[in-house]
Amino acid sequence: QQQVRQSPQSLTVWEGETAILNCSYEDSTFNYFPWYQQFPGEGPALLISIRSVSDKKEDGRFTIFFNKREKKLSLHITDSQPGDSATYFCAASNSNYQLIWGSGTKLIIKP
Amino acid sequence: GPKVLQIPSHQIIDMGQMVTLNCDPVSNHLYFYWYKQILGQQMEFLVNFYNGKVMEKSKLFKDQFSVERPDGSYFTLKIQPTALEDSAVYFCASSLGRRAGNTLYFGEGSRLIVV
Repeated sequence: QQQVRQSPQSLTVWEGETAILNCSYEDSTFNYFPWYQQFPGEGPALLISIRSVSDKKEDGRFTIFFNKREKKLSLHITDSQPGDSATYFCAASNSNYQLIWGSGTKLIIKP
Repeated sequence: GPKVLQIPSHQIIDMGQMVTLNCDPVSNHLYFYWYKQILGQQMEFLVNFYNGKVMEKSKLFKDQFSVERPDGSYFTLKIQPTALEDSAVYFCASSLGRRAGNTLYFGEGSRLIVV
């Protein structure tokens, strides 16, 4: 199975709160997990990524938590800002290097 | 950061006609991709291209689709003939390498409407 699943489909949080976006996968050969951010009318852009040898990756307000045993990861956005409103895609790469994409989480930050 | 340019940004075309979507990838990149996205939903992989050849293609890459990059010019996606279900935003992407960890850089998309 090559699927990557994301939840929730959409998420609304207040400015300043922490947004948590979830991702899970089935294929144990996946070893690289990028998160892409897409604003309306634009193409996706790499936000942050993690390799399966790590359980946490932090970049400013964005942190990925990775649980290899459960095949789950999550993206935490602390101190959410209205400018963070976007669709976030979790993706996974396997030994064949093909990137498998999740269906995305649409995040809305209310001021 | 590195930019991928896509032309046109929008196109409306009659069903059955041919359309060519153009992509100017990042200058030193070697791998090129086309993705299809409908209504801001999942990014659906169509095809990747390297050294003048299609490396992988998905089931969405129908016989009516073709890609090429003649003499290092635009990387193009051609649909001939177009169908109503081809209406979508098509994103071009490029990367330096293919191994895990190579970032895909996307253009802003070409919105295709088939009527």
